Amino acid sequence: QMQLQESGPGLLKPSETLSLTCSVSGGSISSYYWSWIRQPAGKGPEWIGRIWNTGRTNYNPSLKSRVTMSVDMSKNQFSLKLRSVTAADTAVYYCAREAGHYCGGDCYFPFDYWGRGTLVTVSS
Amino acid sequence: DIQMTQSPSSLSASVGDRVTITCQASLDIGSYVNWYQQKPGQAPELLISDASNLRTGVPSRFSGSGSGTHFTFTISGLQPEDIATYYCQQYDDLFTFGPGTKVDLK
Repeated sequence: QMQLQESGPGLLKPSETLSLTCSVSGGSISSYYWSWIRQPAGKGPEWIGRIWNTGRTNYNPSLKSRVTMSVDMSKNQFSLKLRSVTAADTAVYYCAREAGHYCGGDCYFPFDYWGRGTLVTVSS
Repeated sequence: DIQMTQSPSSLSASVGDRVTITCQASLDIGSYVNWYQQKPGQAPELLISDASNLRTGVPSRFSGSGSGTHFTFTISGLQPEDIATYYCQQYDDLFTFGPGTKVDLK
């Protein structure tokens, strides 16, 4: 059974960089797309971006200027960096897997495995 | 960007009731819609993909339909364990979630 686990600091100050890691167990990180999704309290989820094991990425256009994702195949992990955070970035951050294999182009799949989420609060 | 809207934003129903949620896309997205269930303190869980395909293990009282810009999610007989917030999500071009519909018991 595949499991995903987010880790990283839960409290940041404005202008700092949010750094989170997702550790994947019960399966290899290869062959699938891996995403970060966030959800502010009381709101719907917002997709942040995704990465393939080659390092190829797609980002949400609204966050693209501040986001960098990376993958570490040796550790079966992938990571998120979000620069210059503000209070608006306060949310539960989830990592998730898409239920389809890499297609070489712009193809998208449902999210079938999710981490439990980690709350990140931005406050001075 | 493709926007997703849902209605209603919340509803109250009794056990056994038929519950219907609608989702509208800002562009034609074919059948590229998923439906998720989220219970408090948990991650969303995929119930339906491609507008109408029930995920393995999901009870048959859940169903979905629609194509283009208008989609419907139905619970044919509400159970206490179905109390949750439901989200539609498009995956025709990147990913966008709807704002959610909170379902509780009357």
